[in-house]
Amino acid sequence: EVQLVESGGGLVQPGGSLRLSCSVSGFTFSSYEMYWVRQAAGKGLEYVSSISNNGGSTFYADSAKGRFTISRDNSQNTLFLQMSSLRTEDTAVYFCVKDSGYSAYGRFDSWGQGALVTVSS
Amino acid sequence: DIQMTQSPSSLSASVGDRVTITCRASRSIRNYLNWYQQKPGKAPNLLIYTASILQSGVPSRFSGSGSGTDFTLTISSLQPEDFATYYCQQTDSTLLTFGGGTRVEIK
Repeated sequence: EVQLVESGGGLVQPGGSLRLSCSVSGFTFSSYEMYWVRQAAGKGLEYVSSISNNGGSTFYADSAKGRFTISRDNSQNTLFLQMSSLRTEDTAVYFCVKDSGYSAYGRFDSWGQGALVTVSS
Repeated sequence: DIQMTQSPSSLSASVGDRVTITCRASRSIRNYLNWYQQKPGKAPNLLIYTASILQSGVPSRFSGSGSGTDFTLTISSLQPEDFATYYCQQTDSTLLTFGGGTRVEIK
């Protein structure tokens, strides 16, 4: 069974930093591109970032560029999102997401339960 | 960025109704369009990919169509478990974008 479990969410002040982790199991992590998608309370889904299976390519939404860094440790089956210079508008549930594999960029077939990040003074 | 516009933003329907949700892209995305269902407090669930292919395990009352800029999601006979929010998503661009969502409520 595919499982994705996020951790590291919490309350942080504006301008602060936070690191999210996503521990995965049930599939060959090193074979899949991975993603972070967020959702503010009562709002829609927003793509944040993605990373290729070997970590060699990363992409970011404009809202995350220059402030967030996606990375992965294939030996530990773990995905990360380092967030800095956080703003109140970054407050959201952050989902760790897996796609369906080769030729399926962005086809999200498995999601974590989400980690709540609250940016507030 | 490719903008995805869904309509309506919400609708009320009864069990057994045929429901259609539309999604329009700001430029052609060929058929790189997915549909998701999300229930309150839960992660989204993939329903349709590549515009019209039903994800494994999804009931056949769900169907998708379209290409280029205009797409539709149809629920042929609405069931109680289908009351949820639906999102379209384009994957033609590396910078993925979602529609704003359509909330399907009970009439």
